[in-house]
Amino acid sequence: GENVEQHPSTLSVQEGDSAVIKCTYSDSASNYFPWYKQELGKRPQLIIDIRSNVGEKKDQRIAVTLNKTAKHFSLHITETQPEDSAVYFCAAPYPPGAGSYQLTFGKGTKLSVIP
Amino acid sequence: KAGVTQTPRYLIKTRGQQVTLSCSPISGHRSVSWYQQTPGQGLQFLFEYFSETQRNKGNFPGRFSGRQFSNSRSEMNVSTLELGDSALYLCASSENAGGEKLFFGSGTQLSVL
Repeated sequence: GENVEQHPSTLSVQEGDSAVIKCTYSDSASNYFPWYKQELGKRPQLIIDIRSNVGEKKDQRIAVTLNKTAKHFSLHITETQPEDSAVYFCAAPYPPGAGSYQLTFGKGTKLSVIP
Repeated sequence: KAGVTQTPRYLIKTRGQQVTLSCSPISGHRSVSWYQQTPGQGLQFLFEYFSETQRNKGNFPGRFSGRQFSNSRSEMNVSTLELGDSALYLCASSENAGGEKLFFGSGTQLSVL
């Protein structure tokens, strides 16, 4: 199946700094890459997603970049705020390129934004 | 629009028992997926149902099963519970089959003693 590796597992940044989380995937046919945010004790929520025909997508302070050649995609959060503190999960589809698939999630990155 | 609703919120069972978890998707969503979340393994896919048909199944033993009803509500059953089944079970709904734009419920926290 698809193998998704996520780094780092923990990340601490000062408020106002940027945070970057990176995921690598194994199958070059994968074509959809979402990011989910899970605050402590709450449900995961989709914050941004990207398709393989796009190299970058932005939504206010959040952006995702995709490098298909290297098979990795990254989440960028700028001007971090304390409310950005959460666990972030990346995911990739399996089987890749299929019309109906399951998501394979990375193990998560715990982001702490220090005021 | 009401979100994804899971019941019960907490469950305590003993080894060997069975358990049924329920999930009501967002109105109009026909796909329901189930995930197991544990601190060590993260989020792992169990299965997905779309229009009452199982579309995909993850790498879990046959003790884990599910079904979907005509109103898109879904149930998940775990038989012969083991200690290792202790986890947060999350369901997620989406408009279409597959894993795009999932809306998760708050989960059922299952503890097996």
